[in-house]
Amino acid sequence: DAGVTQSPTHLIKTRGQQVTLRCSPKSGHDTVSWYQQALGQGPQFIFQYYEEEERQRGNFPDRFSGHQFPNYSSELNVNALLLGDSALYLCASSFITGELFFGEGSRLTVL
Amino acid sequence: DAKTTQPTSMDCAEGRAANLPCNHSTISGNEYVYWYRQIHSQGPQYIIHGLKNNETNEMASLIITEDRKSSTLILPHATLRDTAVYYCIVRPSHNAGNMLTFGGGTRLMVKP
Repeated sequence: DAGVTQSPTHLIKTRGQQVTLRCSPKSGHDTVSWYQQALGQGPQFIFQYYEEEERQRGNFPDRFSGHQFPNYSSELNVNALLLGDSALYLCASSFITGELFFGEGSRLTVL
Repeated sequence: DAKTTQPTSMDCAEGRAANLPCNHSTISGNEYVYWYRQIHSQGPQYIIHGLKNNETNEMASLIITEDRKSSTLILPHATLRDTAVYYCIVRPSHNAGNMLTFGGGTRLMVKP
């Protein structure tokens, strides 16, 4: 049973560019959430998708957007990258209620 | 959301019990206590959760005080692989979505 898978694992971008990160949820899960984890800090909630709609959103600007597909997979898009966007981006899947299962993350470096 | 307070770091000898405390004095009646851990360079891993009763699973035990203002995660026989950052999180009832508020956590170092 595959767990939560994320791609790419590492990537480097320059300021002003755009990035797309991808997530496949654990088999059977219908809800995907995204978190940002800066170095040395705990993860911070970005948003949650269920039934292809954004259901909850944390304190992140509109540069951060997402999408959920009919197969429950999800993408996180970040536009106009800033140096401060450098972080580990974590995807977590679950049923609409229940424990979250996290992927290994995508490490983004913005130069 | 209620906030949690945890010690920044703790050490534990291999084979001994690791007791990780957490204060959540502003917890409300419908909020659960969740514990996750994050081993270096990996995503957070769910450990255990509880509402008011003590809970035990194959990984750990969770002891919640009667007034629910604090809890303790117990790893009964710590191994080197338990070295990780442990997060105590207060989460609204199961219908309230997946927004978990992570604090700084406790960095547990298990030593031989």
